[in-house]
Order: sequence, then C-alpha cells, then structure tokens
Amino acid sequence: RKEVEQDPGPFNVPEGATVAFNCTYSNSASQSFFWYRQDCRKEPKLLMSVYSSGNEDGRFTAQLNRASQYISLLIRDSKLSDSATYLCVVTPSGAGSYQLTFGKGTKLSVIP
Amino acid sequence: EAQVTQNPRYLITVTGKKLTVTCSQNMNHEYMSWYRQDPGLGLRQIYYSMNVEVTDKGDVPEGYKVSRKEKRNFPLILESPSPNQTSLYFCASSSSTGTGYEQYFGPGTRLTVT
Repeated sequence: RKEVEQDPGPFNVPEGATVAFNCTYSNSASQSFFWYRQDCRKEPKLLMSVYSSGNEDGRFTAQLNRASQYISLLIRDSKLSDSATYLCVVTPSGAGSYQLTFGKGTKLSVIP
Repeated sequence: EAQVTQNPRYLITVTGKKLTVTCSQNMNHEYMSWYRQDPGLGLRQIYYSMNVEVTDKGDVPEGYKVSRKEKRNFPLILESPSPNQTSLYFCASSSSTGTGYEQYFGPGTRLTVT
C-alpha cells in the first residue's frame, strides 16, 4: 500500500463550484498533515496545515480523520486561479517529523 | 525577502560530466532537503540535512552527494550524471512550527542529461 494516496484527477469544475479532494495515508503514527499547491512547472507552496479539529482559511477547509486515516480539502466558490495540482503531505511523529511524504497530487482545472 | 534560491535553473549536460546544483536559504532554517520530481512518481526525497555537518539519505540517494558546511547552503552534487537523473529538482528548507515542519521550496532546477 502506498504511503500517501490521492486521486490524480483531473477534476474539471466550473467557476463557483465546490470541490473536495481526499487523501489517505498508511502510517497510523503520522503526526502532521499539510496541503501544498503546485502550479505547472513551479515549486510547491504550502496552502494550509491540517489540524485535528479541522481548520478553515477563507474558501478552503481542511479536515483530518485519524480513525480512517484520511485528510480532505474543500474549496468553495472555485476561482480560475485555483487551477493547480494539490499535494497531500504527511509527516511521521517524533524525530522523523521533518520527513515529508508527498502524495502524487490531484490536478484541478477550474473552467470559465 | 525570505527565500530559497537554486542555481542553475536549467541545465543540459552530458553523461559523466560532474555537476553541482547550488541551494541557499536566507531564513536561518536548520533543516534542508533535496527532492526530485518525475511524471507519475511525484516528489521523492534525495537527501536531507538536520543542521550543519549532519546529512542523511532520503528515498532515492543513489548517484547523488550533498554537503552542509554552512547553515544557509546545501549543494547537490552529481559526480557522474546519467540520463535517468534527468528530472526537475527542488531544494527546500524548514524550521519547526507547532504542528510540524513546514517546508519552503526553491524555484526548481530542470536538469537534462544526454
């Protein structure tokens, strides 16, 4: 089983739509969780951390389900500028918490 | 401006010709790392460094070397590049936050080995 799995997409959605991505992870000891965004041929950039209680940043909501070992990202009122690849990232606990494990990403295209 | 810089941004070279990709960060981060990104394989870690003079292998270290003589710099060395090292390379740095290590990436180096 792959450590971090994501639906590769692409997700093609119209402007204004709500879209959700899920990501599953295999290491139950994973400690920290993030969503990164990567534009075509550019570097990944941190979109948001994912906290145990769930968290929201504007149109973006991230949630964590430790029991089922998945995290999710919800984007409301999609904009053309949201078109990118979204990477799910987890880290183990303890001394290895600097070791990021990346999913392969989910590609989102927001269509006018 | 806080940033991670990489040089060169683009490089075409031939098999066996030693090369170095430089990486520098101005955020006083302890942790630095190198990744390669290939279609269908995602980001894979090559080497990482917890601090000066402390380096360790990531998931795909074969064919690469690194050094960490100064906190801000973390060069990636390919002693004898081969075509299977053609890839997009990212350097990253981070310091710990309350919930883990949030990494900042350089702009990437696109390497082609012929």
